[in-house]
Order: sequence, then structure tokens, then C-alpha cells
Amino acid sequence: NAGVTQTPKFRILKIGQSMTLQCTQDMNHNYMYWYRQDPGMGLKLIYYSVGAGITDKGEVPNGYNVSRSTTEDFPLRLELAAPSQTSVYFCASTLAGNQETQYFGPGTRLLVL
Amino acid sequence: GQSLEQPSEVTAVEGAIVQINCTYQTSGFYGLSWYQQHDGGAPTFLSYNALDGLEETGRFSSFLSRSDSYGYLLLQELQMKDSASYFCAVEGYGQNFVFGPGTRLSVLP
Repeated sequence: NAGVTQTPKFRILKIGQSMTLQCTQDMNHNYMYWYRQDPGMGLKLIYYSVGAGITDKGEVPNGYNVSRSTTEDFPLRLELAAPSQTSVYFCASTLAGNQETQYFGPGTRLLVL
Repeated sequence: GQSLEQPSEVTAVEGAIVQINCTYQTSGFYGLSWYQQHDGGAPTFLSYNALDGLEETGRFSSFLSRSDSYGYLLLQELQMKDSASYFCAVEGYGQNFVFGPGTRLSVLP
């Protein structure tokens, strides 16, 4: 199993550009999460999904969108990039009933200039 | 809302024991998790407490007191590779998962 994979590893965006951060897991997990982590800080939940077709907002959803058309994929969309979205983005997944044990991808480092 | 507090930094020497505390305020609570993150890496799960008491996993132990809204992670026989950031995280109602600000542990030779 590859676990949780994320692409790209690193990206530079200009203000106002858009992009999609990809996240895929091959563990048949139904729960998936997107977090952002600013330097020296903890992780903040952006969006989460408890299954295909079901998504919900976390603590910091503004400026982001998600979709969950399959169990494996949970892409995160930035429509109008802003410098405040410069961060490291982590995707995670877990099984229902086991939410405390999340498996994280390697992260995407995003710089918005 | 939910908020968690942890010390920002802790320093200890190889072979020692260190305790990282976490206090939380939450409107709903299922349990307290601990994650480890090395610089440039992804968080990895260490331990979880849903009930009061001590959970032991090898050199790492985690404690929870629900009445005090308090928990700690205990690391024994410290090794250089334990130098990392440690995060407590509260699982609240509605799938909400909130991480603390993290404690940076430096292990000195």
C-alpha cells in the first residue's frame, strides 16, 4: 500500500491564480481530511469528508473548496490564491470509528507571491 | 469552540524522561490523541486516551484526566531521534479534530 499520497510536493502561485491539491489513499478509508500548517504552528482543519459525496467545513474553510466523488480521492481547490494561503497542506485519512488515528500524506508546500 | 495549550519548547538529555502537558477546553470531547512530527515530515500517530488513566506503548505513555481537562505525554529513555514536535489533539463532536500548537522537544547528547 502506498498509503496517503499528495501532489504536488511544492508549488509557487501568483496572487489570484487557482490550483488543485491532489490527495489519494489506497487504504479504503472512508474519512478524509485537509489541514494546513503554518510555520511553527499546529494543524488547522480546512475540510473533511466522511464518505464519497459527503463533505463538511472545518475550522478554516474560507478560500477553499473540496469534492469527494470517490472513496480514494479528496482534492482541495484554491480558487483565488492569496498570500495568507502560503502554508503546508496535509491530507489525512482514517476509518470510521477510528478517527483518533489519522494517517497523513507527506504534505504540499505552497507559496503564494 | 475548542482550544488546547501546550508548552512551546522542552529540552532534555539522552536517557532522561520528559513529560509534555496538554490542557484543553472543548464543547464536546471524545478523546485526546498525540502525534509526533519531525522537521519537514508529516505527523504520525503516537497514542490515544478516551478514558481517564495511563496508556503505555513502549517508551511512550499518555495520560488523561477528563475532570481536569488535562493530559500528558511521557517519553522515557529519550533518544536523539525523539527530537521532534509533539502535538496533542482533541476529537470533539461532529468529526471536529483540533490540534494543539505543538511542543518542540530537543534531546541533547
